Amino acid sequence: KAGVTQTPRYLIKTRGQQVTLSCSPISGHRSVSWYQQTPGQGLQFLFEYFSETQRNKGNFPGRFSGRQFSNSRSEMNVSTLELGDSALYLCASSLAGATDTQYFGPGTRLTVL
Amino acid sequence: EDQVTQSPEALRLQEGESSSLNCSYTVSGLRGLFWYRQDPGKGPEFLFTLYSAGEEKEKERLKATLTKKESFLHITAPKPEDSATYLCAVPCSGTYKYIFGTGTRLKVLA
Repeated sequence: KAGVTQTPRYLIKTRGQQVTLSCSPISGHRSVSWYQQTPGQGLQFLFEYFSETQRNKGNFPGRFSGRQFSNSRSEMNVSTLELGDSALYLCASSLAGATDTQYFGPGTRLTVL
Repeated sequence: EDQVTQSPEALRLQEGESSSLNCSYTVSGLRGLFWYRQDPGKGPEFLFTLYSAGEEKEKERLKATLTKKESFLHITAPKPEDSATYLCAVPCSGTYKYIFGTGTRLKVLA
């Protein structure tokens, strides 16, 4: 069974630009969560989607947004990039969320210059 | 407020020197505790899920246990390839959000 895939794996952007990251969950998984990981803050929850609906959102500014498609694939968007947005962005999928095991993708390394 | 605290932050062991990592949690109505291993620059790799106090799970040199307040990840006779950051996570009360501890960086020396 294929794991969680994320594209692109690496991105370099400049301040003020926007970026879209993509995540394809494990087949049959309908819950997708996004996390930001930085050396100082660890893994921080961004948002979770299930059946195209955002069920929870973390404490991030409105510049961070996401969506989920009918095939459970998900995208997250960051607008007006700031230097502090440089991080590893991780996507995780699970069957339905809540008590299910989350399986992570390899992440997208975003560098903002 | 739901919280997860891991200790120690870093741990250096000689090959074969057994030890334990700690994950303390504060959450109303635990709905599962998850252990992951993360290598540098990669996504976390799932290790164990524990749901009830007293539950134990084993995989090779790793054994995870759970009490009502904390979980331990015991590493028996570690090898250099066990070097990684070990993370624990719990679902927050009444939400679909998971919170992670800051991890324990384990280095096993040959």
